[in-house]
Amino acid sequence: GESVGLHLPTLSVQEGDNSIINCAYSNSASDYFIWYKQESGKGPQFIIDIRSNMDKRQGQRVTVLLNKTVKHLSLQIAATQPGDSAVYFCAENPYSGAGSYQLTFGKGTKLSVIP
Amino acid sequence: KAGVTQTPRYLIKTRGQQVTLSCSPISGHRSVSWYQQTPGQGLQFLFEYFSETQRNKGNFPGRFSGRQFSNSRSEMNVSTLELGDSALYLCASSPGLAAGELFFGEGSRLTVL
Repeated sequence: GESVGLHLPTLSVQEGDNSIINCAYSNSASDYFIWYKQESGKGPQFIIDIRSNMDKRQGQRVTVLLNKTVKHLSLQIAATQPGDSAVYFCAENPYSGAGSYQLTFGKGTKLSVIP
Repeated sequence: KAGVTQTPRYLIKTRGQQVTLSCSPISGHRSVSWYQQTPGQGLQFLFEYFSETQRNKGNFPGRFSGRQFSNSRSEMNVSTLELGDSALYLCASSPGLAAGELFFGEGSRLTVL
């Protein structure tokens, strides 16, 4: 049958405002979480990560919050710029242990920055 | 340091054919993962190799296979192509010693006609 494209949540923000992108993850055993940014025609680019023993981590203009109780991640981007326009994915690593790389990606959120 | 390199970037095949995609990881990285990205299913894990051994495998049919060479370069192969195999195939590398950041290439865009 015909496949239906993913309905990407979209977020439009004014340049200079703060952006908050939310993500629900599925596996309570996941111990590593990561946010990626994907611009059109490019591969995903790392933004920030967090391990399950933390609930907050800050980078340059970005903050990730982890709420394990409700299995929720959020990415906050301060002073959003036009260059931040992209699709943002959260991903979880549901397999702990040394060197296990099998990320499960969320559906993505399309961020549009209005100049 | 050079990033992850994938070749070819674009290719067109017809149903029933097979295709081989290549990935050169970042120097020193021993883990290579492959993901399929489609508008319908998003990003889905195919498999991961570490030191020439498949360490994890996603839920894809046996038509999808891969391998890793002693220099950590990896190839994936899709046999008996179907229309639904049209996708962006992404390769990612990492040091492979602990869960951490994956470095993605730009992808190989496969179109099956």
